[in-house]
Amino acid sequence: GAVVSQHPSRVICKSGTSVKIECRSLDFQATTMFWYRQFPKKSLMLMATSNEGSKATYEQGVEKDKFLINHASLTLSTLTVTSAHPEDSSFYICSANFGGETEAFFGQGTRLTVV
Amino acid sequence: GQNIDQPTEMTATEGAIVQINCTYQTSGFNGLFWYQQHAGEAPTFLSYNVLDGLEEKGRFSSFLSRSKGYSYLLLKELQMKDSASYLCAVMDSNYQLIWGAGTKLIIKP
Repeated sequence: GAVVSQHPSRVICKSGTSVKIECRSLDFQATTMFWYRQFPKKSLMLMATSNEGSKATYEQGVEKDKFLINHASLTLSTLTVTSAHPEDSSFYICSANFGGETEAFFGQGTRLTVV
Repeated sequence: GQNIDQPTEMTATEGAIVQINCTYQTSGFNGLFWYQQHAGEAPTFLSYNVLDGLEEKGRFSSFLSRSKGYSYLLLKELQMKDSASYLCAVMDSNYQLIWGAGTKLIIKP
């Protein structure tokens, strides 16, 4: 199956700093990428949908200025958590779809801990 | 509103069979997915159903009834490594995935 690579897998940062998470589709061109957040024992929560070359569409309640998404190419999307705070600590997962396929391919996830 | 319901937790014995149910109410339907998620890891794809009926894939099978808004995931010959959360997700009319909260499956020897 298709491969989506997410980096880093774990990151610990100080409160107030920014963290960038990368999501790459390795063997296909992803027309759409999704960013999710998962709190412990909770469902995946869709944060935003990004299409290559256009602005991301954020879900209600997600701050677009805090969670910056850039989908610069058909193989790379980045999520930057700006001015991170401890409440931003969570598991962030990206997924990608490509044309004609409805299955979502997931990255490995990034465990963010803000101290 | 859109809603996916599945049990929070289930327990089963190694070697046995377990059925995890999922009911949904969504705006439109473009398929139902089952994913397996081990603690601390991203979900991995198990199955996709868009037509009514049973899809069998090795030890795992998934069933769909669109008229009833109902699906189940059947796991046979349970192994300890099957201990995980199982997520039901429905793709709505906008091709967005609506996620259930997941069912934590505990396998006992």
